[in-house]
Amino acid sequence: DGGITQSPKYLFRKEGQNVTLSCEQNLNHDAMYWYRQDPGQGLRLIYYSQIVNDFQKGDIAEGYSVSREKKESFPLTVTSAQKNPTAFYLCASSGRAANTGELFFGEGSRLTVL
Amino acid sequence: AQSVTQPDIHITVSEGASLELRCNYSYGATPYLFWYVQSPGQGLQLLLKYFSGDTLVQGIKGFEAEFKRSQSSFNLRKPSVHWSDAAEYFCAVGPLMDSSYKLIFGSGTRLLVRP
Repeated sequence: DGGITQSPKYLFRKEGQNVTLSCEQNLNHDAMYWYRQDPGQGLRLIYYSQIVNDFQKGDIAEGYSVSREKKESFPLTVTSAQKNPTAFYLCASSGRAANTGELFFGEGSRLTVL
Repeated sequence: AQSVTQPDIHITVSEGASLELRCNYSYGATPYLFWYVQSPGQGLQLLLKYFSGDTLVQGIKGFEAEFKRSQSSFNLRKPSVHWSDAAEYFCAVGPLMDSSYKLIFGSGTRLLVRP
């Protein structure tokens, strides 16, 4: 089945460590997105990429980095510079040709900093 | 500026009762509108979408929504709520006119269902 796979589902990190969250899609979508979700808040956009080898900062990019070397993959690195990284992270994709912005989401990754 | 407002943070209804979740938007053109549902610890699932045409759209799980341009609203409704509908619901509008295909999400409404 086509979809978006995020891994790991749960991740624990010590302060000062970088961690990388994986996001893979087999929907042949051009655009991919990373969102952060905190309790009681909506979704906040971290980074997005419309094509391979290109990405843009979203609303809360500080302390995060991404790469887009393959169409299928859009990993997110949470660096030690991110002051409050404990959150639920959602990856999404959309088909550029659809031009509607409709997003397809993965199941999410929960990061906890100890 | 483009924005989405979901005025109700929490809503509690009894099982079998009807439901309406409110969504108001600010957008400079004819919007594309979406409702997503999120179960605890899960990703978001698309319930329904409005692009054009009939302003009453049907979605999955018995949900429907009505686009009212004059009120800038896209409220979600269900005639009879089931306990499994307890979740968080997000309204979204887009895509942004900068061609980034980004959506703007509301802050969500958490639905609780009383037995």
